[in-house]
Amino acid sequence: DTVLTQSPALAVSPGERVTISCRASESVSTGMHWYQQKPGQQPKLLIYGASNLESGVPARFSGSGSGTDFTLTIDPVEADDTATYFCQQSWNDLTFGSGTKLEIK
Amino acid sequence: EVQLVESGGGLVKPGSSLKLSCVASGFTFSSYGMHWIRQAPKKGLEWIALIYYDSSNKYYADSVKGRFTISRDNSKNTLYLEMNSLRSEDTAMYYCAKGGQGWFAYWGQGTLVTVSS
Repeated sequence: DTVLTQSPALAVSPGERVTISCRASESVSTGMHWYQQKPGQQPKLLIYGASNLESGVPARFSGSGSGTDFTLTIDPVEADDTATYFCQQSWNDLTFGSGTKLEIK
Repeated sequence: EVQLVESGGGLVKPGSSLKLSCVASGFTFSSYGMHWIRQAPKKGLEWIALIYYDSSNKYYADSVKGRFTISRDNSKNTLYLEMNSLRSEDTAMYYCAKGGQGWFAYWGQGTLVTVSS
């Protein structure tokens, strides 16, 4: 299975730029997608195909990367962005990262 | 508007069985593959099963293969997950998700399965 590695937690202040990383154990081309999950809610798709913004998602969110290294960027961060962010790959079966918990200070 | 509504979760003992349902609306259910994805408490997400639009193919994660069965009834717009020989490690929120091109744009709200003696 393709393992996706994310840093466990980040803390930033409102208005700052934050980058959340996801590293794949093997190449997934651009088959990487990002989700936001708030407590008690189902995941919400933010980015698909590494860099494509899902309809209705604010343009503050962006994605980049290909191969094994991917980044989700939020710029500027708002208080409502407090959540856990998961990456997911669809190039080799379907696997998820363990999530990065984002705290807004 | 796409809606997915899961049901059937509950508290069960190890070794028992449970059948989850997911009723879909707002799209042509019979044209799309459907997935089950679970999330153990305070843990990450785990894809567990996929069924093609016409039930011609079914795929499972190794962790549930041989114990869980995915199925669908296109006449009822309903997806199912039959779970047998349940273990404590199957305790999780179970989500159904609409298939597409590899990502999951639509999720249900989830149904909680707790396996405990």
